[in-house]
Amino acid sequence: DSGVTQTPKHLITATGQRVTLRCSPRSGDLSVYWYQQSLDQGLQFLIQYYNGEERAKGNILERFSAQQFPDLHSELNLSSLELGDSALYFCASSVVEGTYNEQFFGPGTRLTVL
Amino acid sequence: AQSVAQPEDQVNVAEGNPLTVKCTYSVSGNPYLFWYVQYPNRGLQFLLKYITGDNLVKGSYGFEAEFNKSQTSFHLKKPSALVSDSALYFCAVRDGGATNKLIFGTGTLLAVQP
Repeated sequence: DSGVTQTPKHLITATGQRVTLRCSPRSGDLSVYWYQQSLDQGLQFLIQYYNGEERAKGNILERFSAQQFPDLHSELNLSSLELGDSALYFCASSVVEGTYNEQFFGPGTRLTVL
Repeated sequence: AQSVAQPEDQVNVAEGNPLTVKCTYSVSGNPYLFWYVQYPNRGLQFLLKYITGDNLVKGSYGFEAEFNKSQTSFHLKKPSALVSDSALYFCAVRDGGATNKLIFGTGTLLAVQP
């Protein structure tokens, strides 16, 4: 158990809908990262937050957004969902930004868009 | 841009035999390299990292990795494979700049036969 929790574990929804994925980092970790894992794109970085502020953006669609709250948990919002958004979404956390610490990954949320 | 390559989609090895999972990297500046393992329906688990120092890095579950600067490689190794080592292995490199985001390889499926 990495100490990173993600809810829900599975999510099945329809095209055009909006969903919210939730992540709680390890105790004491200030940085949260979101990654998407799909068969065609592999593991791709989406976005990073550090202590409530956005730090870096990767291949994140405009339909997707995220935020980190004062208690350090983070939410990834996916809207106007398309079939191609079906993937495994991981959250990871690390102690601080700009260091060489490893990231600890949650179990992921499997999103299926029908 | 930083990148890693995993040239083998799958590696097959018999239990008890040594295993190697290959990774090569391309970076500007110093490489900060990581290995993660993903078991079915689970998140990624950190195995080991190379930041600086000894070229042979020891990690979790008996795994080690050899950093070779001249060959730009960071191969994962284990002297004696177990059936329970069967999983998907990812090599990753830390992206440059202040962020700690990871760039992942495409993954190598390790299958250990009893």
